[in-house]
Amino acid sequence: DQQVKQNSPSLSVQEGRISILNCDYTNSMFDYFLWYKKYPAEGPTFLISISSIKDKNEDGRFTVFLNKSAKHLSLHIVPSQPGDSAVYFCAALKTSYDKVIFGPGTSLSVIP
Amino acid sequence: DAMVIQNPRYQVTQFGKPVTLSCSQTLNHNVMYWYQQKSSQAPKLLFHYYDKDFNNEADTPDNFQSRRPNTSFCFLDIRSPGLGDAAMYLCATLRGTSALDTQYFGPGTRLTVL
Repeated sequence: DQQVKQNSPSLSVQEGRISILNCDYTNSMFDYFLWYKKYPAEGPTFLISISSIKDKNEDGRFTVFLNKSAKHLSLHIVPSQPGDSAVYFCAALKTSYDKVIFGPGTSLSVIP
Repeated sequence: DAMVIQNPRYQVTQFGKPVTLSCSQTLNHNVMYWYQQKSSQAPKLLFHYYDKDFNNEADTPDNFQSRRPNTSFCFLDIRSPGLGDAAMYLCATLRGTSALDTQYFGPGTRLTVL
């Protein structure tokens, strides 16, 4: 059973516009959420995180929004740049000592 | 200045022929993980080590084993690969004990089983 879902396998966005990547989860015990980015032929790299006590966390062009009641989070990238083209993994964990559960990823293409 | 190195990057093996994948790290991190990622699926944790303390996920098949002879190296052994074991295998490290610390991933080894 997939506890972290990313229902859009791919997304295309024009350069300069907003990219919105969505993630849904089923386990209400999840308290921490992470986003990782992966370029081809490289391993995933950490991008941004949020804990369940917050509903928003911002880091430069990247903002993550969390809606606990809907069990939904989203990653916003504004403005999108061609270098943002990558696979984005949403991930969740119950406690800081728990294992990380990853989603299947969304492939983002930013078109110049 | 690669920090988590996986060798080989591509591995082809025959059905039932044992194979070993290797991972090394220059970060001196305590925790090392092995993930399996099948096409278009989420990375799935197979094992992790906290130092030499080995932790096996409940649903990791017995066909998979791991060794960590020292801090820097970790190996994934697949005793009798089946066609269903074809996947990308990702190694990752973690500095501390909290999973909220950043995991550092290697580039992965893509395993093909013929």
